[in-house]
Amino acid sequence: DQQVKQNSPSLSVQEGRISILNCDYTNSMFDYFLWYKKYPAEGPTFLISISSIKDKNEDGRFTVFLNKSAKHLSLHIVPSQPGDSAVYFCAASLGVGNEKLTFGTGTRLTIIP
Amino acid sequence: DTAVSQTPKYLVTQMGNDKSIKCEQNLGHDTMYWYKQDSKKFLKIMFSYNNKELIINETVPNRFSPKSPDKAHLNLHINSLELGDSAVYFCASSQGWGRETQYFGPGTRLLVL
Repeated sequence: DQQVKQNSPSLSVQEGRISILNCDYTNSMFDYFLWYKKYPAEGPTFLISISSIKDKNEDGRFTVFLNKSAKHLSLHIVPSQPGDSAVYFCAASLGVGNEKLTFGTGTRLTIIP
Repeated sequence: DTAVSQTPKYLVTQMGNDKSIKCEQNLGHDTMYWYKQDSKKFLKIMFSYNNKELIINETVPNRFSPKSPDKAHLNLHINSLELGDSAVYFCASSQGWGRETQYFGPGTRLLVL
């Protein structure tokens, strides 16, 4: 049962434009969401997170938006840079005391110079 | 200086063999994890240890046995390897248990022939 879904396996964006990566979830009990970035032959690295009490969190070029009613979150990267080319995973966890992360299958982002 | 390291990086072995993957973190973290990324790119948690105590044990065949000799190490031993065990195995660590950022190792690519 895939509770966290990233329906776009890949995305190509021109350098300097905005990249928007999407993630949907089915379990309404999830209350903490994260984005991880992964380069080839490396482990995932944490990018940004958001708690369910917020609808937006921003860190430099990265902003995560959460729409609880739609069970949808998105990661915006602006402006996109060549170094952003990687696989992006969204992840979700249940409440305090059950912090196990459930990951999506990832979206490969390619930034075109 | 690598924060979370895994050995070996690649492992090719025959069905039925027993193998171990080692993980070490030099971040002083209390919690360590093992994840499996299968051919469909799902990244799923297998085990988590906090202060050498097992706190997450997902539905994993008992052929998989984690061992935590100390807080800095979490090794994964696999008995009687099967074809379906072929995957990338990631170790991770975090400071404490809870909504702490998880730091991942580079992964061990296991191929069972």
